[in-house]
Amino acid sequence: EIVLTQSPGTLSLSPGERATLSCRPSQTVSSNYLAWYQQKPGQAPRLLIYGASSRATGIPDRFSGSGSGTDFTLTISRLEPEDFAVYYCQQYGSSYTFGQGTKLEIK
Amino acid sequence: QVQLMESGGGVVQPGRSLRLSCTASGFTFNIYAMHWVRQAPGKGLEWVALISYDGINKYFPDSVKGRFTISRDNSKNTLFLQMNSLRVEDTAVYYCAKSAKGSYRDAFDIWGPGTVVTVSS
Repeated sequence: EIVLTQSPGTLSLSPGERATLSCRPSQTVSSNYLAWYQQKPGQAPRLLIYGASSRATGIPDRFSGSGSGTDFTLTISRLEPEDFAVYYCQQYGSSYTFGQGTKLEIK
Repeated sequence: QVQLMESGGGVVQPGRSLRLSCTASGFTFNIYAMHWVRQAPGKGLEWVALISYDGINKYFPDSVKGRFTISRDNSKNTLFLQMNSLRVEDTAVYYCAKSAKGSYRDAFDIWGPGTVVTVSS
């Protein structure tokens, strides 16, 4: 099973700042089958990024994904108030596993 | 409007069974693989089951293999999760989710709001 380790566990930033979230798989994720999701309290996850770097439909361009192999990053260029949430990475190249999540909180 | 809606959650005793349903609307249900994902209280996400677009192929993680089954009725745009021999650790919000482009090697682009399953004596 591919284990995904996300860091940091909690990230405290202010609106307008840049956020950088990391996801490190325990093995190479084939064909960059890596996605990012946003989840707000009491809501279902929302797909942000798939294929490591492609934005899902309707996702603002302040969200970007990068990386390959065993090192992936989600970047939010300028934080908006609605971006404060929990973010999960997921690999779908070998079964399906999720990271433990990064909580992005207002500083 | 593309939408998924789960139902069937509730409180059940350990060892008993429960069947969840997920009704789809706004897209051509019978060409997409579908999944169930769960989230225990205060925890992260765990994939629970996958079914192919035609209902022939089904996959499960070890944590539920042999206890959970997945099925679908494409004539009614409905996905099911049959959960048997339930354990306290199966307590979670259960989400159904759609495969983004239809195949197995896809992210999950549409999620339902979830249904709560509580296993307790």
